[in-house]
Amino acid sequence: QQQVKQSPQSLIVQKGGISIINCAYENTAFDYFPWYQQFPGKGPALLIAIRPDVSEKKEGRFTISFNKSAKQFSLHIMDSQPGDSATYFCAATLSGGYQKVTFGTGTKLQVIP
Amino acid sequence: KAGVTQTPRYLIKTRGQQVTLSCSPISGHRSVSWYQQTPGQGLQFLFEYFSETQRNKGNFPGRFSGRQFSNSRSEMNVSTLELGDSALYLCASSLFPRQGSGGELFFGEGSRLTVL
Repeated sequence: QQQVKQSPQSLIVQKGGISIINCAYENTAFDYFPWYQQFPGKGPALLIAIRPDVSEKKEGRFTISFNKSAKQFSLHIMDSQPGDSATYFCAATLSGGYQKVTFGTGTKLQVIP
Repeated sequence: KAGVTQTPRYLIKTRGQQVTLSCSPISGHRSVSWYQQTPGQGLQFLFEYFSETQRNKGNFPGRFSGRQFSNSRSEMNVSTLELGDSALYLCASSLFPRQGSGGELFFGEGSRLTVL
């Protein structure tokens, strides 16, 4: 019940295309859904996050779509660029203020010119 | 503002040895958590500390332990190392209680442990 399932495991997208990564969760007590981006040799860094009372959040080329009834959320990267090539992790945090974050297994994105 | 600092960045140990990893959080951050990252399992939560107290623990054996000092710096220790402990160990700090959007984790670059 604590799992966050993420797909696909890897993704190759042409420059200028749309990258879509999907995640699903079971625990309805999750109240915060961040996405982290990790470049090789670096730690993950927060990219964008959403709360379940919002269906969509957009920041530049990055958009989170959230479907509370289906317990699914996704990351869309519009106009994908080679610099977006990284591993992306979806995550979820339980309510209560503790910083225990449950991560998906990651999606390695490669954007080819 | 300095980021999260982890030392050492790389280390090689043999089975049965023990290892201690160190983490200095961002100044002002009092919550420190540790994650194990492996290619197959992704990021797995180890434990979280706040004000020198462990508040949360993941599903790892007792060989994995940690502590936090009064200056918020944290260490984790793995005893009796096994081959399967080879991984990138990431430390993250955050503000507590969660504010605003819900609590961003700021990660260090990790300590890569290889067990031979």
